Amino acid sequence: KQEVTQIPAALSVPEGENLVLNCSFTDSAIYNLQWFRQDPGKGLTSLLLIQSSQREQTSGRLNASLDKSSGRSTLYIAASQPGDSATYLCACPGRTTDSWGKFQFGAGTQVVVTP
Amino acid sequence: EAQVTQNPRYLITVTGKKLTVTCSQNMNHEYMSWYRQDPGLGLRQIYYSMNVEVTDKGDVPEGYKVSRKEKRNFPLILESPSPNQTSLYFCAAGTSGIYNEQFFGPGTRLTVL
Repeated sequence: KQEVTQIPAALSVPEGENLVLNCSFTDSAIYNLQWFRQDPGKGLTSLLLIQSSQREQTSGRLNASLDKSSGRSTLYIAASQPGDSATYLCACPGRTTDSWGKFQFGAGTQVVVTP
Repeated sequence: EAQVTQNPRYLITVTGKKLTVTCSQNMNHEYMSWYRQDPGLGLRQIYYSMNVEVTDKGDVPEGYKVSRKEKRNFPLILESPSPNQTSLYFCAAGTSGIYNEQFFGPGTRLTVL
């Protein structure tokens, strides 16, 4: 079974600093990996989806990389702002044809950006 | 606007009283899923559906039922709720296939007394 780990569990940075969030997975044969943002008590907002054939994906200040061989994905947020304060989660689906719909989530990294 | 809606958003009920949480999506996605989120345990998948009339268990299906009679709706049924089902529930819809991207609803906070 795929296991997804996010370290650290919490992170505090001053405004303007770049954020680096890590996501590790045990089974390197993933089809894709998705990054989400969650505000307290709210639903998850999709940030980026990286397919297994891609090495990185970018959207505005966000850049996600994927290294399947090392079982790692990294989410970079450039020039952080207080509005980036949230919990960030990563998730990936099962790797077999009968488990594509089965997702495993990391526990998340809680980010606080201080003004 | 593309969205996933859930109803109710908040519910307080008592042990044993059957309830249904509805989930609807307007994106015409084949894939839908239910999760629960608990402090310290993270997001765990309850059930998912790859298409109409096709459902399968996630990691924590005990005590829940689902049905997928039409593409847009995927209700979650608790036949006899218990206090350990107190949780924040999320419905998601997504594109099908191995590159499926999920989009989440706003959540339903359920308390079972």
